[in-house]
Amino acid sequence: QVQLQESGPGLVKSSQTLSLSCTVTGGSISGNYYWSWIRQPAGKGLEWIGRIFTGGTTKFNPSLKSRVTMSIDTSKNQFSLKLTSVTAADTAVYYCAREAAAGTSHGMDVWGQGTTATVSS
Amino acid sequence: SYELTQPPSVSVSPGETARITCSGDALPKQYAYWYQQKPGQAPVVIIYKDTERPSGIPERFSGSSSGTEVTLTISGVQAEDEADYYCQSADTSGTYVFGTGTKVTVL
Repeated sequence: QVQLQESGPGLVKSSQTLSLSCTVTGGSISGNYYWSWIRQPAGKGLEWIGRIFTGGTTKFNPSLKSRVTMSIDTSKNQFSLKLTSVTAADTAVYYCAREAAAGTSHGMDVWGQGTTATVSS
Repeated sequence: SYELTQPPSVSVSPGETARITCSGDALPKQYAYWYQQKPGQAPVVIIYKDTERPSGIPERFSGSSSGTEVTLTISGVQAEDEADYYCQSADTSGTYVFGTGTKVTVL
């Protein structure tokens, strides 16, 4: 059974870069899948940040596109998120999730438990 | 930017039917997905491609689509269905978006 686990520093200083990783266990990251990042500020709704395909193709939320990069490391079975120039508005629980690509999609059917990232001044 | 609009809250008595709508201009062309999120937990997909139910999701959850609106129906609501529900779809460029979210309260 595939599981996802987010990791990264829980505290980041304002204007610096937030770096998170998501490790895939119980299966291979190499396959016909999209790997997404989603965040949720405390008491608020879900916001899709972006996704990366196994081959490296990315797509981002336009509102965050200028500050986001994503990468995938098949040797570590891991994918990563970098968000630059963070502010307090970037404080949230960050989730990673998996979705089968194209016509086989059942939605984002595997999620990590989430990791809290707090931006301090 | 593209938006999916949901009612903020829905209240329902046990055994009754709850309906949650999600409106968006691109919904006639893009599939919708529904997620259930309980406090402190990650979301779980309960409907995919407008009307399909993943294995393990109770039959009381169903989805429908009509024009620019999709609907999640919970028939015979149970106390355990109290949660936040989010629709999710894509704009015409394939960028994903989540709905504003609906809190379902079981009275």
